[in-house]
Amino acid sequence: DAKTTQPPSMDCAEGRAANLPCNHSTISGNEYVYWYRQIHSQGPQYIIHGLKNNETNEMASLIITEDRKSSTLILPHATLRDTAVYYCIVIAGNQFYFGTGTSLTVIP
Amino acid sequence: DAGVTQSPTHLIKTRGQQVTLRCSPISGHKSVSWYQQVLGQGPQFIFQYYEKEERGRGNFPDRFSARQFPNYSSELNVNALLLGDSALYLCASMPQAWDEQYFGPGTRLTVT
Repeated sequence: DAKTTQPPSMDCAEGRAANLPCNHSTISGNEYVYWYRQIHSQGPQYIIHGLKNNETNEMASLIITEDRKSSTLILPHATLRDTAVYYCIVIAGNQFYFGTGTSLTVIP
Repeated sequence: DAGVTQSPTHLIKTRGQQVTLRCSPISGHKSVSWYQQVLGQGPQFIFQYYEKEERGRGNFPDRFSARQFPNYSSELNVNALLLGDSALYLCASMPQAWDEQYFGPGTRLTVT
């Protein structure tokens, strides 16, 4: 059974906010949610992570629902360089689970 | 600071052969994890090592093995290669176990 579920693809206009959802309904109380992105076939790049509170850094914001069953990654002002596959990851049973990822295309 | 390095960059092997992939973590990082990424799919977790001990294992056959050395570098070994083992193999290092991961560029393995 999938540990995380993400939409396969999304488009976003350049300069607008990109909101990428992830469902992780089986997450345990002490498990963090991590977000990474991967451009072409490069190694994935860390974006942000959180446990239960909303988090913000220089790249993005992470909103986690109160029941922790889902989260949303927000890129506040998407640029063309944000075009990538975005992965939502949880740790369960001493394994890292990458979801199927969302392919985000930022349109000029 | 140097990032995570992996060698070789590309590798071509024949079915039935054995391969060893290498990873050097970021200085000061004590944990390494390995992933297999088949074209068009997300990375699949293979192993995680922390302080030279295996801390996590994904759903891969026993043909896959790994180890971590005292300097925290790591090797991934795959025996009896199959065509389906063709993939990008990614290594990530972490300061501690189950932490924020920093990925290397990967090793592209092609099995013919």
